[in-house]
Order: sequence, then structure tokens, then C-alpha cells
Amino acid sequence: DAGVIQSPRHEVTEMGQEVTLRCKPISGHNSLFWYRQTMMRGLELLIYFNNNVPIDDSGMPEDRFSAKMPNASFSTLKIQPSEPRDSAVYFCASSENYSNQPQHFGDGTRLSIL
Amino acid sequence: KQEVTQIPAALSVPEGENLVLNCSFTDSAIYNLQWFRQDPGKGLTSLLLIQSSQREQTSGRLNASLDKSSGRSTLYIAASQPGDSATYLCAATARGGSEKLVFGKGTKLTVNP
Repeated sequence: DAGVIQSPRHEVTEMGQEVTLRCKPISGHNSLFWYRQTMMRGLELLIYFNNNVPIDDSGMPEDRFSAKMPNASFSTLKIQPSEPRDSAVYFCASSENYSNQPQHFGDGTRLSIL
Repeated sequence: KQEVTQIPAALSVPEGENLVLNCSFTDSAIYNLQWFRQDPGKGLTSLLLIQSSQREQTSGRLNASLDKSSGRSTLYIAASQPGDSATYLCAATARGGSEKLVFGKGTKLTVNP
């Protein structure tokens, strides 16, 4: 199994630019999660999907953040416009439907906004 | 609102020592509690998942316990090895959402040869 695949692994861009992070979950997994990790705040859930439908987006910090899951094998997290305080490592994770199944994480995207 | 705390933030032990990592949570109405390992520059790897009806789970040299009434979980590592060096995070489900995890900030473990 290839595991959760995230791209790009690293992204450096200037303030104000649009950033798009991509995720391919493990085949057969029905739940997908986007997290953000910083030294100050630790790992925080931004949004999660079940069967491609957003279930809880209460962790999305601002309207500048948006996430989509057009099909079971692909999701994007977009930041527009980006700001320096968005710099963090963004993780995608997936799990089998429903609760009480472990989440499997990708290796993350390290985002730096200059 | 669920809050998860891990103390200490860092721990250094000699190889071969048995050790315990601690995790506490504020809301006992959890569906499960999970322990993860994170290596530098990598994502999280799931180690153990304890369902709310269980008291403990074991995998190899790892044993995790859960005491909902006191809001505590421990991860026991037997006969530690340098390869166990990593950051260990625990996560508890949030009230009202069985899939929504709230993470502690982790304990950075260093096992010295």
C-alpha cells in the first residue's frame, strides 16, 4: 500500500500568493483529515471529510482557507491569499469508515510564506 | 471542550530502560484514545488505539492503558532502544465527534546507547 501521498513536500512562496496543497488518501479509506502543526499550537484539525462530504470545518482559521474533495482519491487545501502566519507543516490523514479506526498520516507539506 | 496534556515535554533515558509516557484529557466522554509516533520530518504513525470500552492495548514492547474516570492514559515502553527515539503524541476524540481527534503536544523521547 502506498500510504497517504501529499504534494508538494515543501513550498516557499511570497505573501499574498495562492497556495494549493494536495492529498491522495489510502485507497478504500472513506474519511480524510487536514491538520496543521506548529511549535506553538501543536497539531490542530482544520477540516475532515467523510465519503467526500465535509463534516466539520470548525478548525479552518479564516475564509482564506478552503478545502475540497471532488472524489474519493483526491483532496486539496487552498490558502488565498497566503500570509506569513500560515507558515506551518500541513498534514493529510485518512482512515477507514467510521469511528475507532486509526488515522494514517502523510509525510506533510512544509509551507513557508515569506 | 476536550484538552489533552502530555508531561514531560521531553525525556532522555539510557538504552534498556523501561519507561512510561503520560497523557491526560479533560473530557472523559471519549470514543477512543490513540497513541502516535512522529519521527523528524515525517508524519505520524499510529501505534495503539484504545476504545472507550477497553482498559489497555498491547503491541510488541508497547502497552497503552486507559482510565477514563481519571482522564489518564499511559504508554509503557519495555526495554527501550535507540530506535524508539521520536516524539510520542496522544490524541483523544472530541465530544460529539468520534472521528475528531484532539492532540497533545507530545513527549520527545531520546534513548541513549
